[in-house]
Amino acid sequence: SSELTQDPAVSVALGQTVRITCQGDSLRSYYASWYQQKPGQAPVLVIYGKNNRPSGIPDRFSGSSSGNTASLTITGAQAEDESDYYCNSRDSSGDLLWVFGGGTKLTVL
Amino acid sequence: QITLKESGPTLVKPTQTLTLTCTFSGFSLSTSGVGVGWIRQPPGKALEWLAVIYRDDDKRYSPSLKSRLTITKDTSKNQVVLTMTNMDPVDTATYYCAHETVTINYWGQGTLVTVSS
Repeated sequence: SSELTQDPAVSVALGQTVRITCQGDSLRSYYASWYQQKPGQAPVLVIYGKNNRPSGIPDRFSGSSSGNTASLTITGAQAEDESDYYCNSRDSSGDLLWVFGGGTKLTVL
Repeated sequence: QITLKESGPTLVKPTQTLTLTCTFSGFSLSTSGVGVGWIRQPPGKALEWLAVIYRDDDKRYSPSLKSRLTITKDTSKNQVVLTMTNMDPVDTATYYCAHETVTINYWGQGTLVTVSS
């Protein structure tokens, strides 16, 4: 079982704002990273750290955190944002292991 | 430009040992703070972290798979090897290797490994 919990599916109307959340005890100590994965492709890092975007990631993607919950927000969702999104963080053991959430399928209507 | 590519068998039989090689470029595993790890994804399912190795040969493993996994590196060849023993059909998955610094930031294309007799 995953130590990071995500909603299995979320939908958003084209151009609207959507928040995808990730819950877990380790998020009280570590930042989450977020990955976008399209069918048949490898995941792509979209957010890491407090709220950092790798080069090439649109600024409509942002991250935040509060308590045991991390959030990925897409402001003005585009059709191409329809993907699976995974959160990731160090686990809560203190052994510097990694853990992934179960993933959220985002549908853009 | 950082790139990683996985190689290995596409089909293994139950109880066999899987050996996967990650060949990378654009960075060195002799750099402090850099790691190379493995993540897998069964068809239609979520990502699962497996293992990572760092410059000083520090190795970390998923607790649930630790007894079956071994990760090694050949810094001179820019390669990291993952072995997984006693393969089972539930281990059928796409296996990714990835570059890590403060996060897992670059991924290989992945290689699908099917476990079947």
